[in-house]
Amino acid sequence: QQQVKQSPQSLIVQKGGISIINCAYENTAFDYFPWYQQFPGKGPALLIAIRPDVSEKKEGRFTISFNKSAKQFSLHIMDSQPGDSATYFCAASNPGSYKLIFGSGTRLLVRP
Amino acid sequence: DAGVIQSPRHEVTEMGQEVTLRCKPISGHNSLFWYRQTMMRGLELLIYFNNNVPIDDSGMPEDRFSAKMPNASFSTLKIQPSEPRDSAVYFCASSFGAGGSYEQYFGPGTRLTVT
Repeated sequence: QQQVKQSPQSLIVQKGGISIINCAYENTAFDYFPWYQQFPGKGPALLIAIRPDVSEKKEGRFTISFNKSAKQFSLHIMDSQPGDSATYFCAASNPGSYKLIFGSGTRLLVRP
Repeated sequence: DAGVIQSPRHEVTEMGQEVTLRCKPISGHNSLFWYRQTMMRGLELLIYFNNNVPIDDSGMPEDRFSAKMPNASFSTLKIQPSEPRDSAVYFCASSFGAGGSYEQYFGPGTRLTVT
C-alpha cells in the first residue's frame, strides 16, 4: 500500500510534442506528491509538486494533473525539448513523514 | 551555496575491502538522507538523520552498512566488507525540515563498483 506505481518505463517524444508520465498510488493518506528530474550523472532535483487539495498545478511547460478519486497523478511536459531528456521520478509522502516513496522512474528521450 | 557535496564521485574497490562515502549537507539543513540507486530497485532510502541523530535506519541492507553524522556538516556511509552486489550509485540528500514536503536536495552521487 506504500507503493507508487509509475508508467511508462521509457518514453520517446518528438521535439515540440507532449510528454505524459503517470503514477498511481493506494494509500489515501498521502498528502504530498512531488516530481523529481534526474539528468545522467546527477542527483535527482525537485521539479514540481502538488497537494491533493488542488487538481492541477502548472509551472512553465510542466503541469501536474491530480485525480484524487482515481488515486492517480501525472506529469505533462508541453512543447517537449531535447533538454528535457532525463529520468523522471514521481513520489509521495504521508502527512508529517520525512520519507518519500519514489516511483520506479521514467526515462524520457526527446528527439530533435 | 555549493549544494550537497559528496566524495568520492567514483569508487572502484575489490570485494572485501572497506568503503567510506562522504557527504557535506547544505549549511542550515537539519535533515540528511542516504539513498542507494540501482536499475533493479530504483531509489532506496538507507538511513535518515535529523539534527545529527539517526532516526530511521530500517533501509540499511545489513550489518555491513553503517552511517554516522558526527556534526551538522558531515556524514559518512561505510560498507565493510564490501560485496559486488553493493555496486550502485549512492546519494546523499539534505533538507531544511523533517517532513516529506520539505524539498530534498540531492548531491551528485558516488558511483561505487565492487569487483
